[in-house]
Amino acid sequence: DVKVTQSSRYLVKRTGEKVFLECVQDMDHENMFWYRQDPGLGLRLIYFSYDVKMKEKGDIPEGYSVSREKKERFSLILESASTNQTSMYLCASSPRYGYTFGSGTRLTVV
Amino acid sequence: EDQVTQSPEALRLQEGESSSLNCSYTVSGLRGLFWYRQDPGKGPEFLFTLYSAGEEKEKERLKATLTKKESFLHITAPKPEDSATYLCAVQSSGNTPLVFGKGTRLSVIA
Repeated sequence: DVKVTQSSRYLVKRTGEKVFLECVQDMDHENMFWYRQDPGLGLRLIYFSYDVKMKEKGDIPEGYSVSREKKERFSLILESASTNQTSMYLCASSPRYGYTFGSGTRLTVV
Repeated sequence: EDQVTQSPEALRLQEGESSSLNCSYTVSGLRGLFWYRQDPGKGPEFLFTLYSAGEEKEKERLKATLTKKESFLHITAPKPEDSATYLCAVQSSGNTPLVFGKGTRLSVIA
């Protein structure tokens, strides 16, 4: 069964910390995506990548960066966590059309 | 700019009471329209992909249809386990990220 695995289901971090959210897929997909999901706002695209070492900004990239050193792994980095980054973070991968999502990371910044 | 609007925001049904969820979209060349189901605290789970107007797909009590401007997710004789948020997304021509609607939160009461 194909899988997208996010390293943590729940995470609590302090304001100002550097936070790493990891995502690994085992489907040899080229495309990977990071979204955040907030009540009333839906899914908003943060960053995406179509190939190793390649990244593109989504709709809300401010305060975030990404890393894709290997095809199967796409990391989201919060350089200095703030309380307004408290959210559900969803990683997805795609061969070209449609996504497979991970189970999500609920991040709370205190 | 691609846009997706889902209605209603929330829907409460009695068990066995059939209904439909709406997804209206504007897109510059539709590559695919996707339906996902999302349970609380989890990542979205793929349901259907529709590619062209007139296409229909079914899975158990769910049936998805597509026109040039909207898609419907019909739920026939729903059960409490159908309670979830249903997300609609579109992908335009080329290898572009999906654009999601804000979802419809369905509650089925026994």
